[in-house]
Amino acid sequence: EDQVTQSPEALRLQEGESSSLNCSYTVSGLRGLFWYRQDPGKGPEFLFTLYSAGEEKEKERLKATLTKKESFLHITAPKPEDSATYLCAVRHGSSNTGKLIFGQGTTLQVKP
Amino acid sequence: DAGVIQSPRHEVTEMGQEVTLRCKPISGHDYLFWYRQTMMRGLELLIYFNNNVPIDDSGMPEDRFSAKMPNASFSTLKIQPSEPRDSAVYFCASSFQGAPGTEAFFGQGTRLTVV
Repeated sequence: EDQVTQSPEALRLQEGESSSLNCSYTVSGLRGLFWYRQDPGKGPEFLFTLYSAGEEKEKERLKATLTKKESFLHITAPKPEDSATYLCAVRHGSSNTGKLIFGQGTTLQVKP
Repeated sequence: DAGVIQSPRHEVTEMGQEVTLRCKPISGHDYLFWYRQTMMRGLELLIYFNNNVPIDDSGMPEDRFSAKMPNASFSTLKIQPSEPRDSAVYFCASSFQGAPGTEAFFGQGTRLTVV
């Protein structure tokens, strides 16, 4: 069964304390892995797309990496405004389907 | 473009009543998704459309739920009759498959409370 698992469920960091969030996936025919950020009361906001193992993407303090079984979202020197829930999703299938399956998310809190 | 637009933002209704949620996708997008988000189950895909045609409705929990997309710029999700366990935030999202980076863009959601 296709599955996306994120860890940890919650993470508390001090401002400037770097860390990583994990997204493990089991899908047949990965057609893209997506990272989203969700703030309370809002819809998920797109961050990155990764398509193949070894690929990396960066945006400000965030860097996403991908292997054949998992993806990491590295947060370097986080600031309080990075506090949010980070969601991982995968698109899979033998055809060009648009179906996205989400993990449960990691809630990040960065304290000043 | 204003992004994906959902209405209403909040809905409170009594058990047994019909509820209709509305979504306007981003112009030019050919995929539309309906998700439900709860603390217990996270984001669950209910149904998605491609070029206004329902492709996969396996996530629709019961026959009480139905979705339509009469044209490329409008979709509805209807719950009839509603039950307290339907209380959740419902998101609509759209994407364009023809370009690289086929990410989905989400609306702000409709928070549904069934009392």
